[in-house]
Amino acid sequence: ETGVTQTPRHLVMGMTNKKSLKCEQHLGHNAMYWYKQSAKKPLELMFVYNFKEQTENNSVPSRFSPECPNSSHLFLHLHTLQPEDSALYLCASRPDRGASVTDTQYFGPGTRLTVL
Amino acid sequence: GENVEQHPSTLSVQEGDSAVIKCTYSDSASNYFPWYKQELGKGPQLIIDIRSNVGEKKDQRIAVTLNKTAKHFSLHITETQPEDSAVYFCAASFTGTASKLTFGTGTRLQVTL
Repeated sequence: ETGVTQTPRHLVMGMTNKKSLKCEQHLGHNAMYWYKQSAKKPLELMFVYNFKEQTENNSVPSRFSPECPNSSHLFLHLHTLQPEDSALYLCASRPDRGASVTDTQYFGPGTRLTVL
Repeated sequence: GENVEQHPSTLSVQEGDSAVIKCTYSDSASNYFPWYKQELGKGPQLIIDIRSNVGEKKDQRIAVTLNKTAKHFSLHITETQPEDSAVYFCAASFTGTASKLTFGTGTRLQVTL
């Protein structure tokens, strides 16, 4: 295990539902990322948080709303999604403080989302 | 921005043979190049990485080479085993506090008996 956990692992939702994905890292990192992984496409960076502050929003539609209450937790709130939003959503973390700074990102197992 | 191309998209080798996956990048400022392995039902796991100040790095059966002039880097797996079967992703980034990885499209490696 990499120390990054994601819940739920699988989620099926209708287009009118509201749901949330949760990511938790037990590695003491302070940078956290949301990625979308679709079939036959590169991993798409969605959001970056550093020390709880959002530093990157990669032109993500507003139906995806991230929240980072502290450096260990990251949420992705979902509402009125479309079927094309069905994908594997991956969370990653990275140390970005002092001597621990590294480019290496550690990924969670992902949440497989299906939008009906 | 950075663009990373990865080839081949699928690769089938016999157990014991070598496998090579190649990536090219577009931004000459990129200086960090990791390789990730993703098994079914799991997130990507870092297997090896290289920085622009070295040309080659080895870790047991895995090696990565980097050609900065040509802007390409490759993953080499020797003596392949069935457990090497997975999807492999290359990535590139520029070191910084807002480090962002740009990923290739992935290579599905199948090691057959």
